[in-house]
Amino acid sequence: AQKVTQAQTEISVVEKEDVTLDCVYETRDTTYYLFWYKQPPSGELVFLIRRNSFDEQNEISGRYSWNFQKSTSSFNFTITASQVVDSAVYFCALSEGLGDYKLSFGAGTTVTVRA
Amino acid sequence: KAGVTQTPRYLIKTRGQQVTLSCSPISGHRSVSWYQQTPGQGLQFLFEYFSETQRNKGNFPGRFSGRQFSNSRSEMNVSTLELGDSALYLCASSSSGTSYEQYFGPGTRLTVT
Repeated sequence: AQKVTQAQTEISVVEKEDVTLDCVYETRDTTYYLFWYKQPPSGELVFLIRRNSFDEQNEISGRYSWNFQKSTSSFNFTITASQVVDSAVYFCALSEGLGDYKLSFGAGTTVTVRA
Repeated sequence: KAGVTQTPRYLIKTRGQQVTLSCSPISGHRSVSWYQQTPGQGLQFLFEYFSETQRNKGNFPGRFSGRQFSNSRSEMNVSTLELGDSALYLCASSSSGTSYEQYFGPGTRLTVT
């Protein structure tokens, strides 16, 4: 069964618009970590944010913010005032249990920001 | 700090051959994980090594193997290559502390003909 679901395949926006990426996860563990990674055309996965299962506080980091809701098993990610350089594939990932470094990735959402 | 490095960046092999990919983690990182990325299957976990020991393994056939050296550098080997092994192979390193953050290298693009 898919542990991480990213329902949006592609999103296209005009520069300066906000972009929200949806992520729904599935796990039986009470301790787990959620991540967002960005993969630009160069191919390298870039770490963006991490949240553990015990901390539902939503934060803002620069133009990035996230909404973690355990009740709905969702970990959504927002880019505020998007820029052309934000164009990339964004992956949501789950790591389950303590000491487990295995990441289960969603299928990814391709974000295209048009000038 | 230098990031994760992977060599070679591109590789073309023939079906039936074997291949070895190399990964040097960020200095001080002791955990190294390998992932395969294909258009059809997406990103899939291969295995993770810590202090020269395989700690976790994904659902890949035995043709896929790896090892880690005392300096934390890691290699993965694929024997008897198949066309379906064509993929981007990504290596990630982690400090193995409590952050669980993994930092990825640029990947090795393997093409099997």
